[in-house]
Amino acid sequence: IVLTQSPGTVSLSPGETATLSCRATQTISSSYLAWYQQKPGQTPRLLLYATSTRATGIPDRFSGSGSGADFTLTISRLEPEDSAVYYCQQYDSSPPTYTFGPGTKLEIK
Amino acid sequence: QVHLEQSGPEVKKPGASVKLSCKASGYIFTNYAISWVRQAPGQGLEWMGWNSAYNGNTNYEQKFQDRVTMTTDTSTNTAYMDLRSLKSDDTAVYYCARQSFLVPSTLEYWGQGTVVTVSS
Repeated sequence: IVLTQSPGTVSLSPGETATLSCRATQTISSSYLAWYQQKPGQTPRLLLYATSTRATGIPDRFSGSGSGADFTLTISRLEPEDSAVYYCQQYDSSPPTYTFGPGTKLEIK
Repeated sequence: QVHLEQSGPEVKKPGASVKLSCKASGYIFTNYAISWVRQAPGQGLEWMGWNSAYNGNTNYEQKFQDRVTMTTDTSTNTAYMDLRSLKSDDTAVYYCARQSFLVPSTLEYWGQGTVVTVSS
């Protein structure tokens, strides 16, 4: 399974809403779709798992949706600290395999 | 708390091998697998493989199958990743990561990363 993400880069202003897309080459389980945030010089941070469940400490400005092969990460009320690269990731259990999308870079103007 | 401490930076020549370590603390080491993920400069995350600390089972991404070996030492709670026949495009930050307790399909805990530079 290959994941593609769009757009590659998006530039938005504080207060706006970002909509980031993740598309798989075949249907994947929504239970196995996660999103990560990576800021420059930092390690990836888990944001959402099972498509829409926020990880511990993640504000409700971050939400996820989707099914089948199309998934979306929505970040509302953008803040300057949201500047980062966002990766989607899917999982196969047999054998255990993790696949990352290429990432979307979010810039806050 | 869960902590993954990785070994220091490495500089290698093309064709050489590198062995990275990842020392775990704050949890029962044998209850979880360790994955290795790399990130080339300015590039995205690339999963390399998975290694169970419980029974040593591995699953490697196909592109690394021929030149990677992942192991664990349960006596020291340390995971290792050995990458052979290094090429310049192996230059990257290499992370070890542990799956989440509640959601094994995600990588919740990450080491700080090891910079590997391959250059003649």
